[in-house]
Amino acid sequence: EDQVTQSPEALRLQEGESSSLNCSYTVSGLRGLFWYRQDPGKGPEFLFTLYSAGEEKEKERLKATLTKKESFLHITAPKPEDSATYLCVLGGFKTIFGAGTRLFVKA
Amino acid sequence: DVKVTQSSRYLVKRTGEKVFLECVQDMDHENMFWYRQDPGLGLRLIYFSYDVKMKEKGDIPEGYSVSREKKERFSLILESASTNQTSMYLCASSFALAGSYEQYFGPGTRLTVT
Repeated sequence: EDQVTQSPEALRLQEGESSSLNCSYTVSGLRGLFWYRQDPGKGPEFLFTLYSAGEEKEKERLKATLTKKESFLHITAPKPEDSATYLCVLGGFKTIFGAGTRLFVKA
Repeated sequence: DVKVTQSSRYLVKRTGEKVFLECVQDMDHENMFWYRQDPGLGLRLIYFSYDVKMKEKGDIPEGYSVSREKKERFSLILESASTNQTSMYLCASSFALAGSYEQYFGPGTRLTVT
């Protein structure tokens, strides 16, 4: 059965304290793995698409990586405005959404 | 930039009313989706459409119907609103071959049914 699990559920960081969010997945045929950012009361905002193991994508302080079983979203020197919920989404025969990691960055 | 717009940000309706939620995308995407998002339950797919006049049920279609008369517009209809349909409703669109392309989301409609 295709599934995706995100960890941790919540992460509290100090401004400038780098860390990583994890997305573990199992899928019979990966079409794409997507990362989104969602602010409270708003729709998810697309960040990255990864298609194959070894692929990496970067945007400002964020870097997404992919292996055959996991994806990581690395956050380098985060700022308070990076506080949001980050969603990992599995694209297979059926699109599967992770539960998200709530990130809090304190100034 | 891809833009997905939804007709209302906030909506309050009474039990039993017929409710229309409209979504428009400007990227010529083939696929369009309706989700609801509830605390602790994440995003759940209600319906999706891969072409004009075509629709497929998602995971929770009961109590909802959809309409897609034009490629850029996808409507969600609550035939007789109930309190358990109070939720955040999100519309999304993507290119064809679902699962291979990212979905772009609208801002959401917070619906309250009293």
